[in-house]
This record gives sequence, structure tokens and C-alpha cells, in this order.
Amino acid sequence: EAGVAQSPRYKIIEKRQSVAFWCNPISGHATLYWYQQILGQGPKLLIQFQNNGVVDDSQLPKDRFSAERLKGVDSTLKIQPAKLEDSAVYLCASREEGGTNTEAFFGQGTRLTVV
Amino acid sequence: SQQGEEDPQALSIQEGENATMNCSYKTSINNLQWYRQNSGRGLVHLILIRSNEREKHSGRLRVTLDTSKKSSSLLITASRAADTASYFCATPAAQKLVFGQGTRLTINP
Repeated sequence: EAGVAQSPRYKIIEKRQSVAFWCNPISGHATLYWYQQILGQGPKLLIQFQNNGVVDDSQLPKDRFSAERLKGVDSTLKIQPAKLEDSAVYLCASREEGGTNTEAFFGQGTRLTVV
Repeated sequence: SQQGEEDPQALSIQEGENATMNCSYKTSINNLQWYRQNSGRGLVHLILIRSNEREKHSGRLRVTLDTSKKSSSLLITASRAADTASYFCATPAAQKLVFGQGTRLTINP
């Protein structure tokens, strides 16, 4: 089975610019997560979708970050405008629906550098 | 908080030795999951242990769970250079999947 696909793999932008990341989860996975992972730290959950609805976005900086999941499949995460502290790896993960006794599958991540 | 916290933060051992890392959590759980992250990669699921299980094995991995102490341990036996990675535990609830800071394991040749 194909894994979680993310693009781009790397992105370098100047502060105050905007950037968008794309994620294609495993087919049939209802739950999709976006994480931010700063170097040396654990992944921080930004937003969680169940199909195309938001389940949790309590840690998403909504003044600059936005995310959507069209038709309950692909998802995009956008930052506008970017700050230096947004430099991190952005990870997408997906999971089957139906309880918590399932594993999550992660993409390779997008490494963002804001200069 | 649903977040698991791993201990130690960093661990360095010689190849062939066993590595043990621990996870503590605060709330009741349905299961506890361990993940590995190689440098520059996404996380990979290693093993899931349910709340009614006390021990689980997968190859060179052994996971224990003590719900009375709200803790779990991951043992990697006969470590290899390829085991060098960060290891995270997660205690999912209501589909939410939250990670701690992880244990950075280094296997020295």
C-alpha cells in the first residue's frame, strides 16, 4: 500500500512570505494530522481532521496558520506570513477510522527554513 | 495531559548492548504506542500495547506496561547501529495522538 505523501520535501523562504505544504494520506484513512517538529523536540500537534471536519486545532496559531482538507482526502497547511520561529519540519500523518487501537502512518515531512 | 513523557532524554550505548527507555503518562489509556524516528524522517510505528496487556514482544523489541504506575518501558535487545534514532511514546485518546520529547538513542560501534 502507498504511504503518506508530502510535498515539497524542502522549502526555504524569507520571513513574511507565505508557504503551503501538501499531504496525501493513505487511501481510506479518515483521520489526518499535521505536526510541527522543531529541531531536537518532539512533534507538536497542530491540527487534526476527521474526514473533512476539524477535530482539534487548539495549538494551531490561527493568526498565521491555516489548514484545510478538501473532500476528506488531501490536505494543505499554509503559513502566511512566515516568521523565523516557523523553521521546522512539518509532518503529516493519517490513521484509519474506528477507535484508538490503530497505528498512525507518517509522511517524510517538509523541512521549512525561514530566513 | 494525554502526552507521554520519555526518559531518559538521551541514551548512548555500545553496539550489542541492550537499551531501555521509559514512558510515563497521566491519564487512563486504551493503549500505548511506541514510534521510532530516524534523522530527517517521519515517525514509524513500532509496537502497540493495549491497556489489558502487560508485556508484548516484536523481534528484538520488548514493551511492558504498568497501568497502576502509569508507565511503560521499551527494551531493545542486542542493539545495532541502525537502531540509532529517537523513540517516542504516545497514548492516543479520542483519536488524538500526542507525543513527548522522545529519547535520543545513539548506538556506538
